[in-house]
Amino acid sequence: GAVVSQHPSWVICKSGTSVKIECRSLDFQATTMFWYRQFPKQSLMLMATSNEGSKATYEQGVEKDKFLINHASLTLSTLTVTSAHPEDSSFYICSAPAQLGTQYFGPGTRLLVL
Amino acid sequence: SQQGEEDPQALSIQEGENATMNCSYKTSINNLQWYRQNSGRGLVHLILIRSNEREKHSGRLRVTLDTSKKSSSLLITASRAADTASYFCATGIQGAQKLVFGQGTRLTINP
Repeated sequence: GAVVSQHPSWVICKSGTSVKIECRSLDFQATTMFWYRQFPKQSLMLMATSNEGSKATYEQGVEKDKFLINHASLTLSTLTVTSAHPEDSSFYICSAPAQLGTQYFGPGTRLLVL
Repeated sequence: SQQGEEDPQALSIQEGENATMNCSYKTSINNLQWYRQNSGRGLVHLILIRSNEREKHSGRLRVTLDTSKKSSSLLITASRAADTASYFCATGIQGAQKLVFGQGTRLTINP
């Protein structure tokens, strides 16, 4: 079946640095991808919709200058957390649309900002 | 924003018992989906029920949808230890590709 991968699977960084997370569709093309954030024991919160060849659409309350999204090709979307701080520590998950409105999810990236 | 409310938030049962989880939502939907998440992993799609359907089965899973009450339930029959995970409902909003997730139910199956 279709697979979505993420890299890295986990990352630890110092406060103030930027972190890039990649989301790839491995055997299909995705003109749209979604980025979610999940805090411990909580649900997924949609951050933004990544659109190939155009600007991402951010959900209300998500800082677009803080969370930079680039969808440079039909198989790759990247999320860059700029000037990361401890409160940005979370589990970041991407997904791509599948049939009938379902989504294929990546395995997630755990970010810890010290 | 999260529009789905799920209950219970946590459920612990013995292996072999049935597990029932409920989900409520607020807006008009195209469909309602259930996903499973093992600890620290991504989500896996389990089952989708369209807004014009009332019940759907897939293996040991049974999903119901009541659009008049804006609610759905997921029943897992003959539970197994491997069913231990978090389960989320998600609604597909009319006119949009994105999904809105419920708060989730953490299910623990005790051997």
